[in-house]
Amino acid sequence: GAVVSQHPSWVICKSGTSVKIECRSLDFQATTMFWYRQFPKQSLMLMATSNEGSKATYEQGVEKDKFLINHASLTLSTLTVTSAHPEDSSFYICSDTAGLSSYEQYFGPGTRLTVT
Amino acid sequence: AQTVTQSQPEMSVQEAETVTLSCTYDTSENNYYLFWYKQPPSRQMILVIRQEAYKQQNATENRFSVNFQKAAKSFSLKISDSQLGDTAMYFCAFTASGTYKYIFGTGTRLKVLA
Repeated sequence: GAVVSQHPSWVICKSGTSVKIECRSLDFQATTMFWYRQFPKQSLMLMATSNEGSKATYEQGVEKDKFLINHASLTLSTLTVTSAHPEDSSFYICSDTAGLSSYEQYFGPGTRLTVT
Repeated sequence: AQTVTQSQPEMSVQEAETVTLSCTYDTSENNYYLFWYKQPPSRQMILVIRQEAYKQQNATENRFSVNFQKAAKSFSLKISDSQLGDTAMYFCAFTASGTYKYIFGTGTRLKVLA
């Protein structure tokens, strides 16, 4: 299956700063990627759909100015958490749609964000 | 709006035994796909099995099989010959044809006991 990488795997930042998370589709040109957020012992919640060359589509309740998504190339999508606060601490996971005909998503290993 | 429900927050099974995880969903769509994903302690999401709604035959992948009941909107996962490595969170997911957006259930934490 397709391989998706994320960087960094774990990041700690101070409240008020911004942090960028990268998601790379290593063997597939992904026009669409997804960003999820997962709180401890909870399910994955879709935050936004990242579209190559155009604006991301955010799910209801997700602040687009706080969670900036850029999908500048077919292999890279970035999520920037701006002016981070402790409540933004979470596990962030991206995925791509390499399994186009099968509708299978391939997930990155996730990024643990801790805001102090 | 579509919803996915997993009513078993936690389950345990003895090694080598069989366990069934439940999933129900609600949708007005006729064409859709259902998935079971496994999330071990590493938190890497791994596809276990998938089912196309238009296929009546239940999907199987080695020790994993599903019981897909379209009319009842039920999609359970059966794990046979459970192994210690099956210990993980299991998420049921739904996507309508053409959208690629997943709706996940709340998950079932499965523990395989030695």
